Parts: sequence; C-alpha cells; structure tokens
Amino acid sequence: DVKVTQSSRYLVKRTGEKVFLECVQDMDHENMFWYRQDPGLGLRLIYFSYDVKMKEKGDIPEGYSVSREKKERFSLILESASTNQTSMYLCASSPRLRATNEKLFFGSGTQLSVL
Amino acid sequence: RKEVEQDPGPFNVPEGATVAFNCTYSNSASQSFFWYRQDCRKEPKLLMSVYSSGNEDGRFTAQLNRASQYISLLIRDSKLSDSATYLCVVNTGANNLFFGTGTRLTVIP
Repeated sequence: DVKVTQSSRYLVKRTGEKVFLECVQDMDHENMFWYRQDPGLGLRLIYFSYDVKMKEKGDIPEGYSVSREKKERFSLILESASTNQTSMYLCASSPRLRATNEKLFFGSGTQLSVL
Repeated sequence: RKEVEQDPGPFNVPEGATVAFNCTYSNSASQSFFWYRQDCRKEPKLLMSVYSSGNEDGRFTAQLNRASQYISLLIRDSKLSDSATYLCVVNTGANNLFFGTGTRLTVIP
C-alpha cells in the first residue's frame, strides 16, 4: 500500500513563528500536493509539485511556500504563522504526471493551531 | 460561483435505506470525476471514479450527467459503516482538482 506520512498529527504554534510541515511518500510518485481543509470550505489547494525542485501555486498560496529537494519529500512552510492559518493540512501524492484520471493518496493530516 | 457544489447534509438514514447524493460542477470542460470518502478526523480516501457510462461497485453506483453537469452517488442497503462525509472531486485537467465541501451521511441503527 502507498504510504504518505505527515510528520505531526497535531501542532500548536504562536503567531509569527516559522512553521515547517513535512510530508514523505514511499511510492516514487511524481506529483505531490498540499491542501488545507476548513469547515464549510472543503479542501483548497495551496501548492503542488510534479517533479523535484518544481512547484506551482494552487488556489491559496499566499503566506505559504514549499520545498521539494527530493522526490519523496514535499515540505510546506509558513514563513510567519498567523491565526487565520489555523487549519487541517493534508498532503497528498499521485503516481502520474499530469494525468487526468489519477488517484490521490492522502496523509493523515496535521491539525495546526496558531495562537 | 464555486467549481463544485454539494449539499452539505446531514443526511440521516436508517440502516438498509437507499440514499443518493448529487454534486454539480461549473466547468463544462471537466475531464474526470471521483467520489472520495472521509471518516471523522481522518484523511479522504478514493471511493470510486465516475465513468461516462455510469459504474457500480457493490452497493455503490456512480453516474455522470455531462449535459446537466452533475454527478451522483447512490448507496443501496446502507450500513452503519457507511457513515462518513462523501466528497465530490472534479478534475478540469492539468492537475486542477476541485473538491466539494462534502455531504455528511449518518446511518442510524
């Protein structure tokens, strides 16, 4: 089975802190994604990457950056955390490059609270 | 207008009932369609893809209506274990995946 692992299940940070969320997948997938999920808003795409060192903005990239130095690892960075970034963060990966019928495999999520 | 819209529910149905959810999408060029299931405090998992001719997987049937731009999910003989949130997902191409906000289903004993 594909495994997508997120480094923390729960995280509490203070406003202004720099926050790193790590995600690792073990199936050599090309595509990796970061979403946030909020009640009433569903999943919204922050950034995605389809290759090492490549990244593309999703729908809500403001306040976030990403890093993909190795194929299996995709990091989400909050440069200066704010309270409106309190959310569930979900990492996902998929096996095909730009395919339209690809299946997403999600990590178990990180519930981030910014105080 | 949202790319994907779903009735949030909740749908509360007795065991054994048949229940159907619809999901509408706004981009007529959308290329592929999926239903994901998300249990409380868990990650979404693919339930089934939705094919143009409709498809069935056990008690679950998915259908696509391109003319009216909606997809549907029918669950027959509901089980307690079907209680979850069902997410409609639409791919408009080139990694543009849009998620609905989900429809919450509770199956009651």
